[in-house]
Amino acid sequence: KAGVTQTPRYLIKTRGQQVTLSCSPISGHRSVSWYQQTPGQGLQFLFEYFSETQRNKGNFPGRFSGRQFSNSRSEMNVSTLELGDSALYLCASSLDGTNTGELFFGEGSRLTVL
Amino acid sequence: AQSVTQLGSHVSVSEGALVLLRCNYSSSVPPYLFWYVQYPNQGLQLLLKYTSAATLVKGINGFEAEFKKSETSFHLTKPSAHMSDAAEYFCAVSATGGYNKLIFGAGTRLAVHP
Repeated sequence: KAGVTQTPRYLIKTRGQQVTLSCSPISGHRSVSWYQQTPGQGLQFLFEYFSETQRNKGNFPGRFSGRQFSNSRSEMNVSTLELGDSALYLCASSLDGTNTGELFFGEGSRLTVL
Repeated sequence: AQSVTQLGSHVSVSEGALVLLRCNYSSSVPPYLFWYVQYPNQGLQLLLKYTSAATLVKGINGFEAEFKKSETSFHLTKPSAHMSDAAEYFCAVSATGGYNKLIFGAGTRLAVHP
C-alpha cells in the first residue's frame, strides 16, 4: 500500500513569491494534517482537513492556507513568502481523524526562500 | 495548555548500551502520548503510543515506554542500542479536541557509536 506522497520534495523560491505544496494521503485515509518543521521552532501544527473541511488551524498567519479535495488529496499554499518560511513541510494522513494521533507522515517538501 | 518537554537535545550511547530518552508532559486531562522517530531526510514514523490501555507500551524496533502519571513522564527505552537506531526522536501529546493536532517536543537526536 502506497504511503503518503508529497510533491515537490525540494523547491527554492524568492521572497514575495507564493508556493503550493501537494499531498496525496494513503488510500482510504480521509484526514490530512500539515506541519511545519524548522530548526528553531521544531514541529508546529498548521491545519487539519477531514472530508474537505478544515477542522483545526494552528497559529500561523493568513498567508498560510490549505484545502482538501473530494479524493482526500490536499494542498497547502503560502503567499508572499518570507525568509522565515524556509522549512520542511510535512503532510500526515490518518484513517478517520478521531484524534488518536496515529499519523502517517510523508517525507516532506523542503522549501528554501531566498 | 498541553505541552511536552524532552530532556536532552542530544544523547550518545554505545552500541549495545541502554537507550533512555526522557519526555515529560503537561496535560489537564488524560492524554494520548506518542513517540515518533525521524531518520535523515525522511518524515516521521510512529514508534509507539499510549492511550490509557496499559502503562507499559511496546513499540516497533524493540522500543518501549512507560506512562507514569505521578511523574507526568513517558520515557522511551530500548535495552540494547543498534547503529540503525541513530535518528531524531520526538515525543508528542494529542491536543484535547484537536483533531489530529499533535504537540511535539523539541526532539532528541540519538547518536550510537561502535
